[in-house]
Amino acid sequence: QVRLQQWGAGVLKPSETLSLICVVYGGSFSEYYWSWVRQPPGKGLEWIGQINHSGRTNYNPSLKSRVTILVDTPKNQFSLKLTSVTAADTAVYYCARNKGIDGMDVWGQGTTVTVSS
Amino acid sequence: SFELTQPPSVSVSPGQTARITCSGDALSKKCACWYQQKSGQAPVLVIYDDNKRPSGIPERFSGSSSGTMAALTISGAQVEDEADYYCYSTDSSGNHGIFGGGTKVTVL
Repeated sequence: QVRLQQWGAGVLKPSETLSLICVVYGGSFSEYYWSWVRQPPGKGLEWIGQINHSGRTNYNPSLKSRVTILVDTPKNQFSLKLTSVTAADTAVYYCARNKGIDGMDVWGQGTTVTVSS
Repeated sequence: SFELTQPPSVSVSPGQTARITCSGDALSKKCACWYQQKSGQAPVLVIYDDNKRPSGIPERFSGSSSGTMAALTISGAQVEDEADYYCYSTDSSGNHGIFGGGTKVTVL
């Protein structure tokens, strides 16, 4: 059974860098893309980007200038960095396994990130 | 533009049928997925590749797609189906994902 466990700093000040890690337990790591999705309080889901085992990335154009997604394949983990955060980046951040047309079928538990001075 | 549009809310009586639509140009070339999200929980995939149901998802959930519109149908809605539902697809390159704005389904 595949499980994603994520963690990272929950409170940031404006202009700091958000950093989250997602570890994949079970299943194949190299067959899929691995995605980050966020959800601001009371709002909908937003796709942030994705990475595969070889490091190929795709980013949401609206966040591309501030986002970096990295992969550590030997450790079955991937990470998200978002620079120069503002209050608008306050959200629950999720990692997920992305099987393309087969959907994002396994999700992490979510990490609440609050940006406040 | 690369957008997916959903109605903000749908109400249905228990046992009746709820249909949620998702429209966008990308859907004419790319498949849609549907996610259910209950309050305080992570999203759950209920439909992928337009009309396929993952293992463990009840048969009352079905998906369809035609042209630039996809739809999720809940046949015989149950109280436990009350949740937010999001459609998801990609741009024509398949490299960038997007969610619809979400539809709140109320069963009462």
